[in-house]
Amino acid sequence: DTEVTQTPKHLVMGMTNKKSLKCEQHMGHRAMYWYKQKAKKPPELMFVYSYEKLSINESVPSRFSPECPNSSLLNLHLHALQPEDSALYLCASSPLNNEKLFFGSGTQLSVL
Amino acid sequence: AQTVTQSQPEMSVQEAETVTLSCTYDTSESDYYLFWYKQPPSRQMILVIRQEAYKQQNATENRFSVNFQKAAKSFSLKISDSQLGDAAMYFCALISNSNSGYALNFGKGTSLLVTP
Repeated sequence: DTEVTQTPKHLVMGMTNKKSLKCEQHMGHRAMYWYKQKAKKPPELMFVYSYEKLSINESVPSRFSPECPNSSLLNLHLHALQPEDSALYLCASSPLNNEKLFFGSGTQLSVL
Repeated sequence: AQTVTQSQPEMSVQEAETVTLSCTYDTSESDYYLFWYKQPPSRQMILVIRQEAYKQQNATENRFSVNFQKAAKSFSLKISDSQLGDAAMYFCALISNSNSGYALNFGKGTSLLVTP
């Protein structure tokens, strides 16, 4: 299994809602990532987890809350988002001793 | 700080022809890797080719090859025998070794149009 699976593929939420994005991989990778991508822009790094511990937070607002419950699963909890948070959210994983990142197909998020 | 610069927002190539996408970068690290990722309309990020900085030999993957000039900090992608399926956004990216995992730095991308 060489896939990174993200659910849901599409999400529409209001500014007062709470929702979660899920990312799963079964490749034994010990590093997992969240990226945010606006249309026609490159992905921007949000968070990095290594060995289930948060190692990089790129000054992301607290309305985004990551969680890594085990080595295969990465969640992104969303609360009180703004319309400008609408974007494609990409999850990726990699072995820590290998620089190759595997990306999921993303969750397209719309905040109304 | 690391930067990746793609100076061509858009490029066009005719089917079966060859096109070269440019990328320059800056890093103070000695141990790093360079990538080209392709993102078609499906928005799935697909790794096209990878280059280790310590290797002098240019990487090749079928119709895709790179021209890696380490001293000039240049990393261009050549696509030979272009196909309609090559149409996509292409991102150049840089990663350096870190104890906290590998954080990719992307360029702004080049949109490649392939015409019949």
